[in-house]
Amino acid sequence: EIVLTQSPGTLSLSPGNRATLSCRASQSVGRYFAWYQQKPGQAPRLLIYGASSRATGIPDRFSGSGSGTDFTLTISRLEPEDFAVYYCQQYGSAATTFGPGTKVDIK
Amino acid sequence: EVQLVESGGGLIQPGGSLRLSCAASGFTVSSSYMSWVRQAPGKGLEWVSVIYSGNSTYYADSVKGRFTISRDSSKNTLFLQMNSLRAEDTAVYYCARARGSYGPSYYYYYYLDVWGRGTTVTVSS
Repeated sequence: EIVLTQSPGTLSLSPGNRATLSCRASQSVGRYFAWYQQKPGQAPRLLIYGASSRATGIPDRFSGSGSGTDFTLTISRLEPEDFAVYYCQQYGSAATTFGPGTKVDIK
Repeated sequence: EVQLVESGGGLIQPGGSLRLSCAASGFTVSSSYMSWVRQAPGKGLEWVSVIYSGNSTYYADSVKGRFTISRDSSKNTLFLQMNSLRAEDTAVYYCARARGSYGPSYYYYYYLDVWGRGTTVTVSS
């Protein structure tokens, strides 16, 4: 099983700040990588797939990068609605796995 | 509008069975790849199962032999039959549509582009 490690566990920032979230895979997954946003009481929402492609309707302040084992989600300027938990997912193996999540909260 | 709506969750005793349903609209379940993902209280996301468009099915080791994924094309609905339930199966269960492509091996490499709101399963005596 491919294990994903997300850092930091919690990111405390202010609206307008830039957020940089990291995820590392225990082995290479190519670009088979996605990011999701989850708000309390809601289902996860797909943000990024293929490491850097934005899903339908996702604002361009969200961007993804990376390949192999190291991936980054960047939110260029945090809006109030962006404070949430973010999960990474690798799907470059038979069994997809998720990271433990990074919580972005208001400083 | 593409939408998924889960139902069938509830409180069940250990060892019991439950069948979850996921009704789809805006697309056809039978020709799609579909998955179940769960989230234990206060925890992260855990993949449970996937069904390919050709009806191949795969399961997480934690549920293999106890859970069965299936679908009914006439109802455009996905199911998850859960038997021999344990306390550790307590979670919100989400169904999701899987999109992606076949990788170097036979497996379908997918992300989850549409999610339902989830249904809560509580296993407790």
